[in-house]
Amino acid sequence: KAGVTQTPRYLIKTRGQQVTLSCSPISGHRSVSWYQQTPGQGLQFLFEYFSETQRNKGNFPGRFSGRQFSNSRSEMNVSTLELGDSALYLCASSPGLAGGSEQFFGPGTRLTVL
Amino acid sequence: AQSVSQHNHHVILSEAASLELGCNYSYGGTVNLFWYVQYPGQHLQLLLKYFSGDPLVKGIKGFEAEFIKSKFSFNLRKPSVQWSDTAEYFCAVRGISGGYQKVTFGTGTKLQVIP
Repeated sequence: KAGVTQTPRYLIKTRGQQVTLSCSPISGHRSVSWYQQTPGQGLQFLFEYFSETQRNKGNFPGRFSGRQFSNSRSEMNVSTLELGDSALYLCASSPGLAGGSEQFFGPGTRLTVL
Repeated sequence: AQSVSQHNHHVILSEAASLELGCNYSYGGTVNLFWYVQYPGQHLQLLLKYFSGDPLVKGIKGFEAEFIKSKFSFNLRKPSVQWSDTAEYFCAVRGISGGYQKVTFGTGTKLQVIP
């Protein structure tokens, strides 16, 4: 079975721009969660989607948004980028809701904001 | 709101030493608990999980963790570490009382094992 894939793997943007990250979960998985990973902060939860519905949302500003498609693929969008948005963005999928089963993580998208 | 504390940010051990990484959480209800590991250059992967039953759970690669409800703790242990255990370890919790809450991760503990 193919693992979780994320595209692109690396992105360089400038302040004020917007960016869209993509995540393809493991086949059959219906839950996709997004996390921001930065040194010293660990993984900060962004949001979780299950069957195209946002089930949980973390404490991030409205500039961070996401969606899930009928095939469970998910996208995350960040508008009006700030320097502090530079981070590794991880996507994780699970068969059911995230905390009820193991999450499988992708390699991440490294976003650098200049 | 739930939270997770990992008190050790960086641990250095010699091979064959015993390991215990602390994890404490705050949440008033029932929780599911996880330890994930991130080896250098690799994806995060599950080490072990606790949902219910025996509070001593065993995971991959000889790791185990004990859930102590009265202490809100889920410490990770390994009797004898190897150089290949060098990685970053994350504790995570999800409250499940009143519906599934978000998954909250600790800030991680970097383990360096010296040959």
